[in-house]
Amino acid sequence: GAGVSQSPSNKVTEKGKDVELRCDPISGHTALYWYRQRLGQGLEFLIYFQGNSAPDKSGLPSDRFSAERTGESVSTLTIQRTQQEDSAVYLCASSPTWGGANEKLFFGSGTQLSVL
Amino acid sequence: DAKTTQPNSMESNEEEPVHLPCNHSTISGTDYIHWYRQLPSQGPEYVIHGLTSNVNNRLASLAIAEDRKSSTLILHRATLRDAAVYYCILRGSAGSYQLTFGKGTKLSVIP
Repeated sequence: GAGVSQSPSNKVTEKGKDVELRCDPISGHTALYWYRQRLGQGLEFLIYFQGNSAPDKSGLPSDRFSAERTGESVSTLTIQRTQQEDSAVYLCASSPTWGGANEKLFFGSGTQLSVL
Repeated sequence: DAKTTQPNSMESNEEEPVHLPCNHSTISGTDYIHWYRQLPSQGPEYVIHGLTSNVNNRLASLAIAEDRKSSTLILHRATLRDAAVYYCILRGSAGSYQLTFGKGTKLSVIP
């Protein structure tokens, strides 16, 4: 079966441009997370979606960052007016449920974003 | 989620067992203990999780102290592929949605 798919795998953009990153979760997974990982650093939580509930946006670093998810399907993370400090690997993960005995995150391979 | 404390780094010889410790003295009764690992240039992967009883799977074993204030991830025979950063995470059934990854333990495996 397919795992979590992220696209593009690499994105090089110029400072000030907008970028859109895509995540296809595992079918049937209700929970979806976005994380950011700067070079040599740990994972930084960005946003969380759980089914049709309101997303937890508490990790988004600025209003240039936004994300959407329709139901339990594809999610897109948009970064407007990119800055050099946005350069990082953006990781998406999905889980069949949130919390409890059955929570298990499956991560994609990430999108490496480079802002020149 | 409650805080965990792990050593920054550990070394192991190939083919030998590895015991990766994690302290979580503020764990609550409903917190699950999760372990993930991140191999170089890859996204994290799930290893194991448990609540109170010790757990085993094909990757590892999880030994949970009786008071649940600490746990140990056991790799029975380290291989070069096990070289990774290992994250110990507490996950409650209520409260914050965030699954917070700390700095983890960087495991080096010596051939």
